Amino acid sequence: AQSVTQPDIHITVSEGASLELRCNYSYGATPYLFWYVQSPGQGLQLLLKYFSGDTLVQGIKGFEAEFKRSQSSFNLRKPSVHWSDAAEYFCAGGPLGGYQKVTFGTGTKLQVIP
Amino acid sequence: GAVVSQHPSWVICKSGTSVKIECRSLDFQATTMFWYRQFPKQSLMLMATSNEGSKATYEQGVEKDKFLINHASLTLSTLTVTSAHPEDSSFYICSVIDGTTDNEQFFGPGTRLTVL
Repeated sequence: AQSVTQPDIHITVSEGASLELRCNYSYGATPYLFWYVQSPGQGLQLLLKYFSGDTLVQGIKGFEAEFKRSQSSFNLRKPSVHWSDAAEYFCAGGPLGGYQKVTFGTGTKLQVIP
Repeated sequence: GAVVSQHPSWVICKSGTSVKIECRSLDFQATTMFWYRQFPKQSLMLMATSNEGSKATYEQGVEKDKFLINHASLTLSTLTVTSAHPEDSSFYICSVIDGTTDNEQFFGPGTRLTVL
């Protein structure tokens, strides 16, 4: 079945440290892949997306993600985490065709400690 | 991008009552809106696709008579949880598709429903 998996439920990092959130996908063909961030009281915000082309994708707020077909992964990274990055992060994927009918992962809650 | 609002942001109701949740696209006309449900510590699950002027399309396992969706205008879609029960308690999120930005989804802030 087509799915997106986030193996880490909760991650804690120190402010200023680097961050990597894991996402694995299971699709027959190259899917559309997304990373969203959800902060309390706010809607999900798109951080970045991968449709095709360059496998290293730059997003907003200093985030990037790398599509690795050999590992079926689309991990989110940030070189230096800020306290304001504390939130829940969702990886999502869908078949070719855009943003519709995407499947969300279960989310990773990021805690940032001083 | 599109700005999406939801009202109310949270609601508490008694079992057996009906609750209406509004989703508004504030700055553009949305022909398609999506309704999601999010359980604590779980992912977003697509419930239905709301199309302006026509019947909503429900995902498998979602009771259309339980979750009534009305997309009467290009800026408003409503989700009514009929005869709510405690198991309907959840976080309901809507999104709109902005056809001017590569069909990107923009999400509302969500509505927390608690059924006593």
